[in-house]
Amino acid sequence: DTGVSQNPRHKITKRGQNVTFRCDPISEHNRLYWYRQTLGQGPEFLTYFQNEAQLEKSRLLSDRFSAERPKGSFSTLEIQRTEQGDSAMYLCASSPGTGGQYFGPGTRLTVT
Amino acid sequence: AQSVTQLDSQVPVFEEAPVELRCNYSSSVSVYLFWYVQYPNQGLQLLLKYLSGSTLVKGINGFEAEFNKSQTSFHLRKPSVHISDTAEYFCAVTGGGSNYKLTFGKGTLLTVNP
Repeated sequence: DTGVSQNPRHKITKRGQNVTFRCDPISEHNRLYWYRQTLGQGPEFLTYFQNEAQLEKSRLLSDRFSAERPKGSFSTLEIQRTEQGDSAMYLCASSPGTGGQYFGPGTRLTVT
Repeated sequence: AQSVTQLDSQVPVFEEAPVELRCNYSSSVSVYLFWYVQYPNQGLQLLLKYLSGSTLVKGINGFEAEFNKSQTSFHLRKPSVHISDTAEYFCAVTGGGSNYKLTFGKGTLLTVNP
């Protein structure tokens, strides 16, 4: 299967801990996106990479959040000092351009 | 900036009945439009997309949607639904700028009953 993969699928952490999620996009896609989805809502844009360059960050991405895409391949999203409000599904998507984005299965974060 | 309104949060239908899920968008620039489906505890799967050309677009699983620029709508339809179509459906828009980030509606839960 050559779709978008995300790890881990589920993460339970205690408030104040740091967590890191990984996304492996479709290999020929140069665009990579992170979204956050809370219960009963549609996904909300967090950040966008073109190759290794992070070109846009949402206001939702506080300074506790950081994302990287070294060498323009996989990407990581780190949340420092997690808060209960960070509990959500974190979705990664990749795209070759205008034709739509292809999503991974998501990482569900629960902060206790 | 763009926005998307999905007019129905829940749509219950019986198996083999037709269904329409409504989506209206707001944008000051030309847009690209998408419908995604999400099954429980899974990511989003692209159903269909409108980029340009014919306003009637066909997607996977027998779904189709019609782009109506004057009414700023992009409603999703299926002539006969199956139990397996039960899922959350999201309408999304992108346009303006080069990043093509998606703005999603809040979703419509389609429940197909036997």
